[in-house]
Order: sequence, then C-alpha cells, then structure tokens
Amino acid sequence: DQQVKQNSPSLSVQEGRISILNCDYTNSMFDYFLWYKKYPAEGPTFLISISSIKDKNEDGRFTVFLNKSAKHLSLHIVPSQPGDSAVYFCAAIANSGYALNFGKGTSLLVTP
Amino acid sequence: EAGVAQSPRYKIIEKRQSVAFWCNPISGHATLYWYQQILGQGPKLLIQFQNNGVVDDSQLPKDRFSAERLKGVDSTLKIQPAKLEDSAVYLCASSPSSTGGFNEQFFGPGTRLTVL
Repeated sequence: DQQVKQNSPSLSVQEGRISILNCDYTNSMFDYFLWYKKYPAEGPTFLISISSIKDKNEDGRFTVFLNKSAKHLSLHIVPSQPGDSAVYFCAAIANSGYALNFGKGTSLLVTP
Repeated sequence: EAGVAQSPRYKIIEKRQSVAFWCNPISGHATLYWYQQILGQGPKLLIQFQNNGVVDDSQLPKDRFSAERLKGVDSTLKIQPAKLEDSAVYLCASSPSSTGGFNEQFFGPGTRLTVL
C-alpha cells in the first residue's frame, strides 16, 4: 500500500523557470515530510523538510509547501538550474515510528 | 566527515546463489537502516537497527534475508538464496538520532544487485 504518492514520473523545465514537484500522502499520522534528491549511482541526499505544524519552509531556492487538509505537499525550485536535474523523492515519517516512507520519485530535467 | 560506505557497489549473481552486502555508517551514528530500491520505486525499509538491536524488521523477508550489526557499528545484509525479484539497489543509511520522530538519514551510494 503506497502511503506516499508522486504521480508525475517526470518533469521537464527550462533553466531559470520554476519547477514544482508534487506529493500526496494518505496516512494522517505522518507529521514530518522530507524531500531527497538523487543523482545516478549515488544515494539519496537530504534536501529540505517540513513539520506538520508548519505550512511552508524555505531554504534558498527551495521551498516546500504543506497542505494538511488536502494531504498534499509540493517542492518549488526557483530559479531552476541544470544541476538540479535529478530524481526527487518525497518521504514522510510518523512520530510513532521511525522509517521513512518514500514515494516513487519524480525525475526532473532542467534544460538550458 | 566521511559518509556512509557500502561495498560492493555492483554484484551479479545467479538465482539461488547467496550474496552479502556490507555497510559502514557515519561514525557515532546510533541508527542504521537497510533499504531496498527496486527500479522505478522509492526505497523501502527492510530493517532498522538501534545500536546493535533490531528496531523494525517487519518488511524483511526473513525466509531468505538476514542482517546483523556487529558491535553496533558495521552491518551486513545477506540474501540466501537469491530470487530474480531481489534485483534492486540496496541502500544503507545512518542517522545520529536514537529516538523516533524526525531524523535526517544519510545514505550510502548503494549496492546494485542483479540476479540472473
């Protein structure tokens, strides 16, 4: 049962424009959400997170928005750069547990 | 600070053979995780260790998979015997947190297993 869903397998954006990656979840017990970035042949690296008590968290070019009522979060990258081309995984964790629950990932391609 | 180390990086075996993967977490990290990432999927937790004790192994196929964490540091994951559906990338991660809730997990590069 996929509790974290990323329904867009891929996204292509022009350099300098905004990239928006979406994520939906079904488990209302999740209270922390994270985005990981993965390059080929490397492990995922942590990008940004948000607690369920917030609706926005910003770190440089990266902003994550959380809509708890819709069980939806999104990652905005502004402006997008070619080096941002990677697979982005949305993940969630419940305070009663420990394991990260990952979505299937969205492959982002930023073209010059 | 050295990252999470894994070996081998690639392994090709035939079905019914055995294979073992090794992970060395970041120094001082109490929690160690093994994930399985099948092509086109997100990583799925197989087992979580807190020091040298198992916290969660509910998704580990225990009839063929086993894992141990020696002295609360290095860990090995073994598959015996392997099946075709075990073809995946096996990721090791570690985190400094010893409790639940948010903990940033640091991932190794993974071992890509191909079962023929």
